[in-house]
Amino acid sequence: KQEVTQIPAALSVPEGENLVLNCSFTDSAIYNLQWFRQDPGKGLTSLLLIQSSQREQTSGRLNASLDKSSGRSTLYIAASQPGDSATYLCAVEVQGAQKLVFGQGTRLTINP
Amino acid sequence: NAGVTQTPKFQVLKTGQSMTLQCAQDMNHEYMSWYRQDPGMGLRLIHYSVGAGITDQGEVPNGYNVSRSTTEDFPLRLLSAAPSQTSVYFCASSYSDQLYGYTFGSGTRLTVV
Repeated sequence: KQEVTQIPAALSVPEGENLVLNCSFTDSAIYNLQWFRQDPGKGLTSLLLIQSSQREQTSGRLNASLDKSSGRSTLYIAASQPGDSATYLCAVEVQGAQKLVFGQGTRLTINP
Repeated sequence: NAGVTQTPKFQVLKTGQSMTLQCAQDMNHEYMSWYRQDPGMGLRLIHYSVGAGITDQGEVPNGYNVSRSTTEDFPLRLLSAAPSQTSVYFCASSYSDQLYGYTFGSGTRLTVV
């Protein structure tokens, strides 16, 4: 059974710092990995999608990497801003099944 | 705007009542699915559909029914609501080629008293 773990559960950093959020998964048989952002009381906004054949994807100040063989992904946020404060969720799409398996999320707070 | 639309946004039900959560997408996605989000449990798959007329159970299907008569709509029915179904419900959709990831709706916050 695929399991996804995100560490840390919560992170608080001052504005301007570069930071890394971690995601690990137990089964390397995935189609892709998707990072989402969720603001309190809101839905999920897709940030980056990495296909299983790719190593990384970039969007603005965000960079996500994927090491399928070791079951790890990282989300790098450069020059953090208070508006980046949110919960970040990692999800893998399981091969052979049309479903996402989610981690518990990392709650990020950027202090002005 | 293109996307996944969920209604209602909030709902309070009494135990034993029934209701339908609506989900519609206008992106011509083949896949549609329902997740529930609970504190400490994360998001879990309830039911999913790979196309019109085809549905299947996810991780936590008990107490819920679905049907998919059109590509655009995927309603979730609670036949007899229980307090354990208090949760935030999200509908999601994607293309079958799995190249573009999933798009999520804004959610329905359901409270069963």
